[in-house]
Amino acid sequence: SAVISQKPSRDICQRGTSLTIQCQVDSQVTMMFWYRQQPGQSLTLIATANQGSEATYESGFVIDKFPISRPNLTFSTLTVSNMSPEDSSIYLCSVSGEEDNQPQHFGDGTRLSIL
Amino acid sequence: AQSVTQLGSHVSVSEGALVLLRCNYSSSVPPYLFWYVQYPNQGLQLLLKYTTGATLVKGINGFEAEFKKSETSFHLTKPSAHMSDAAEYFCAVRKSGGYQKVTFGTGTKLQVIP
Repeated sequence: SAVISQKPSRDICQRGTSLTIQCQVDSQVTMMFWYRQQPGQSLTLIATANQGSEATYESGFVIDKFPISRPNLTFSTLTVSNMSPEDSSIYLCSVSGEEDNQPQHFGDGTRLSIL
Repeated sequence: AQSVTQLGSHVSVSEGALVLLRCNYSSSVPPYLFWYVQYPNQGLQLLLKYTTGATLVKGINGFEAEFKKSETSFHLTKPSAHMSDAAEYFCAVRKSGGYQKVTFGTGTKLQVIP
């Protein structure tokens, strides 16, 4: 399975600032996903990022708040903009093959705390 | 729409005892089913998956799960719990037939008591 590296692994940020999270994969993948995992909760899909097209956002998430880039088949970034304490979460990058029976694989996540 | 229900947000077992984590799903078409484990300060790691074929699937670390269509269940088991099994476990479902989003359950935190 693909090896997924996320940076930073954790950060503490001031409210009103923005943070960009990087996701690097060791092989080319078509589908990349960004999830949010709030404390003690399950995963919520933020958006699907496919190379060469605009990211597709889920209900409740907007591009102005969570802009995503996908410049090539091995890399993506998620920016959390104008952060507030409610944005304190784990943000997870995930990848999947094109076949629908393939599982998703995850990076170790970015643990973000907003003061 | 598909959904996943994990019964029991917290499960405690003694070391050496049977582990049983429950997962029920709903899907309008044959599903693909997955179990993931999340250790503290880590991402999710795939334990096992069911796509087609044999309904009893074996995964890593001695875990297995059985797909029971009649019960719409995909419970995760391990005959003998080890201290290192303490983690959070997520069941997930994806509908078959073209790419579909994965839906995750709410997770079950497993505590292993020495």
